[in-house]
Amino acid sequence: KAGVTQTPRYLIKTRGQQVTLSCSPISGHRSVSWYQQTPGQGLQFLFEYFSETQRNKGNFPGRFSGRQFSNSRSEMNVSTLELGDSALYLCASSPDILIAEAFFGQGTRLTVV
Amino acid sequence: ELKVEQNPLFLSMQEGKNYTIYCNYSTTSDRLYWYRQDPGKSLESLFVLLSNGAVKQEGRLMASLDTKARLSTLHITAAVHDLSATYFCAVDKITIIVWSGTTGANSKLTFGKGITLSVRP
Repeated sequence: KAGVTQTPRYLIKTRGQQVTLSCSPISGHRSVSWYQQTPGQGLQFLFEYFSETQRNKGNFPGRFSGRQFSNSRSEMNVSTLELGDSALYLCASSPDILIAEAFFGQGTRLTVV
Repeated sequence: ELKVEQNPLFLSMQEGKNYTIYCNYSTTSDRLYWYRQDPGKSLESLFVLLSNGAVKQEGRLMASLDTKARLSTLHITAAVHDLSATYFCAVDKITIIVWSGTTGANSKLTFGKGITLSVRP
């Protein structure tokens, strides 16, 4: 059974640009969550999607957005990139919100220069 | 606001010895998780603890949960080099929501800062 797949694995962008990251959950999983990991702030929740609906959102500016498609694949977008957006972005999937255990993908390492 | 504290943040362990690391959280939660992260890698799920008194063991690691004290411990038996990594605990709070006439639930993981374990010979 394939795990959570995130693409691309690495990205280098310039300040002011925008970026789209993709996450394909484990087959059959309908809940997808996104997290940002930085050395200073640690792991922080961005948003959660279930059946194409954003069910929860963390404390991030509106430049961070996401969506989920009917096949449960999810994308997150960051517009007007800032240096502080450099981070490892992790996606997690689970069968259902009420089922314990989220499985994480390998992450996308975003560097903003 | 739910907060998760882990201590210590760094622990140098000697091979063969036993150690315990701690995770405290500030409000009631529904689930507690332990994850392991190797440098540059993703999070590997170790344990999910669902109820007070839950204890789970895998190899040299044993996790327990005391919901009254809002405390989870991760006990390491006879540390070996392969256990060197950063260990995160996270708690989950499920919220029941109603929108457009439909009842559902949302949840999010709140992570601690992580504890970096280094096992020396």
